[in-house]
Amino acid sequence: DGGITQSPKYLFRKEGQNVTLSCEQNLNHDAMYWYRQDPGQGLRLIYYSQIVNDFQKGDIAEGYSVSREKKESFPLTVTSAQKNPTAFYLCASSIDLRGTLGYTFGSGTRLTVV
Amino acid sequence: ILNVEQSPQSLHVQEGDSTNFTCSFPSSNFYALHWYRWETAKSPEALFVMTLNGDEKKKGRISATLNTKEGYSYLYIKGSQPEDSATYLCAFRVLETDKLIFGTGTRLQVFP
Repeated sequence: DGGITQSPKYLFRKEGQNVTLSCEQNLNHDAMYWYRQDPGQGLRLIYYSQIVNDFQKGDIAEGYSVSREKKESFPLTVTSAQKNPTAFYLCASSIDLRGTLGYTFGSGTRLTVV
Repeated sequence: ILNVEQSPQSLHVQEGDSTNFTCSFPSSNFYALHWYRWETAKSPEALFVMTLNGDEKKKGRISATLNTKEGYSYLYIKGSQPEDSATYLCAFRVLETDKLIFGTGTRLQVFP
């Protein structure tokens, strides 16, 4: 079955450490996205990518980095510069950047800083 | 700052009741409006993508309407069932951007 796989489901990080969240899709979608969810807020866009080797900052990119070396993969690194990293992270993809058929989402990674 | 408002924040209904929620968005430079259903411990699932003023879409007992001139969309659920319990998200996109802006969602609980 086609879909998006995010791993791990839960991640604990010590302060000062970088961590990488995995996102893989087998839908042959061109566009991929990373969103962050905090209590009481809508999903906020961190980074997005339209094609391999190209990505754009979203609304809250500070303290995060991404890469898009393969069409299927869009990993997100939460760096030590991110001041408040504890959150729920969702990866999504769409056929193209217009998203006219909607987004397909992964099941998320919950990151906790300890 | 572009903002999406969803109301109500949460809703509790009995099985068999029909219900509706509202999504409000800025009406200028409209491009598309998305609705998603997000069940607990699952991934958000696309319900509808609407682009034209006056659009009406239907999927089983769920339907949605769109008014881009006044900046709102309604989602209706006819004869709610316990399996309809979820958070319903709307998101809109303006012409000049590549980004979807999400509302905070309406959390629906349907009691048997």
